[in-house]
Amino acid sequence: GAGVSQSPSNKVTEKGKDVELRCDPISGHTALYWYRQSLGQGLEFLIYFQGNSAPDKSGLPSDRFSAERTGGSVSTLTIQRTQQEDSAVYLCASSLPDGYTEAFFGQGTRLTVV
Amino acid sequence: RKEVEQDPGPFNVPEGATVAFNCTYSNSASQSFFWYRQDCRKEPKLLMSVYSSGNEDGRFTAQLNRASQYISLLIRDSKLSDSATYLCVVTLYNFNKFYFGSGTKLNVKP
Repeated sequence: GAGVSQSPSNKVTEKGKDVELRCDPISGHTALYWYRQSLGQGLEFLIYFQGNSAPDKSGLPSDRFSAERTGGSVSTLTIQRTQQEDSAVYLCASSLPDGYTEAFFGQGTRLTVV
Repeated sequence: RKEVEQDPGPFNVPEGATVAFNCTYSNSASQSFFWYRQDCRKEPKLLMSVYSSGNEDGRFTAQLNRASQYISLLIRDSKLSDSATYLCVVTLYNFNKFYFGSGTKLNVKP
């Protein structure tokens, strides 16, 4: 596709349910990032994938959060047993692996836990 | 210590004013530098890359000071449409990961 695609754009879920958020990066972008942004706050790094290397999971806030990237392309962020504090916009970005060119963001998934 | 630090603001300025933001980074091995803009309830988008020699794009000027490890963004003749949050971003040598600052909020008033 032309840009980073995220789905769903909005998700309302009940506390305690599991949710899956999807990110489809720009073709050819081997670097993929997940960030979380609470209302009025900055970007909070969650996880980083680079090619076939082990992902950098240092930003995941708890073991309820996990992410995978299949075939070096599409990524899924899973949140188990959602809590109200998980409510935020989840942003995915992708980039070329050169460290020089910009990262492109998807429009985000707005997650609301009720 | 955070990789990238920014003054969160908000900076409240009148239309036509000149405003400058600074951003400091902690790792001297930082490789590339960018300014992103984020509008309310939208995703961040690249405003401009920052080159060692400094660069200008219309009313926007970006500067890099490697010795002091900071980058700056100058906006001249501010417009109402410049109201947004400006994010400072760096990457590190041999580690192609983007580090985002928490952003500086700009409000341009009529």
